[in-house]
Amino acid sequence: DAGITQSPRHKVTETGTPVTLRCHQTENHRYMYWYRQDPGHGLRLIHYSYGVKDTDKGEVSDGYSVSRSKTEDFLLTLESATSSQTSVYFCAVTPGAANTEAFFGQGTRLTVV
Amino acid sequence: GESVGLHLPTLSVQEGDNSIINCAYSNSASDYFIWYKQESGKGPQFIIDIRSNMDKRQGQRVTVLLNKTVKHLSLQIAATQPGDSAVYFCAEKALGMDSSYKLIFGSGTRLLVRP
Repeated sequence: DAGITQSPRHKVTETGTPVTLRCHQTENHRYMYWYRQDPGHGLRLIHYSYGVKDTDKGEVSDGYSVSRSKTEDFLLTLESATSSQTSVYFCAVTPGAANTEAFFGQGTRLTVV
Repeated sequence: GESVGLHLPTLSVQEGDNSIINCAYSNSASDYFIWYKQESGKGPQFIIDIRSNMDKRQGQRVTVLLNKTVKHLSLQIAATQPGDSAVYFCAEKALGMDSSYKLIFGSGTRLLVRP
């Protein structure tokens, strides 16, 4: 499982509050990704990182920011949570640009009320 | 693990039959196309990939076909087993910033295997 830990695993928060999800990996993989998974939409890329302090937007980046200050941690922040951000969030990692096999975490279920 | 009640197209097959799962993609510039399997309550798992300059690749009980003319990808599973019941996603490896790559997923197909 490439030593991926997502925290928290479940969270309920109120609209308008900031929320940070953490993805931690133990294998020093270069690439890390955040996806959200919703009924009817499958997996959609929010942001990804291709190195420390190197990040790029995905398909659904509005309302989200990320940070990667060290190789092992990739943080996803919802600055002001909205009900539309209720979802299951998955973190994934790949060793490098040449790799297509991504390893996924167990997911975080976020509910915004 | 987490799961999502996905409202997806569903393919129902009899155990032992072959399954064919299809996917249309849009980005002709992607250099790899990939299939993932997601079981209930788990994150997706890699099955097989195919480079964009190939049209067929075989794995263990699985074959991926790529038709670049019509931008179509398919996954064939031979002798489908109950353990193959899952949601299947196609994905593409697309170019991002600074020569980085990102994995973009399609919407998925649910495979149900009837005993």
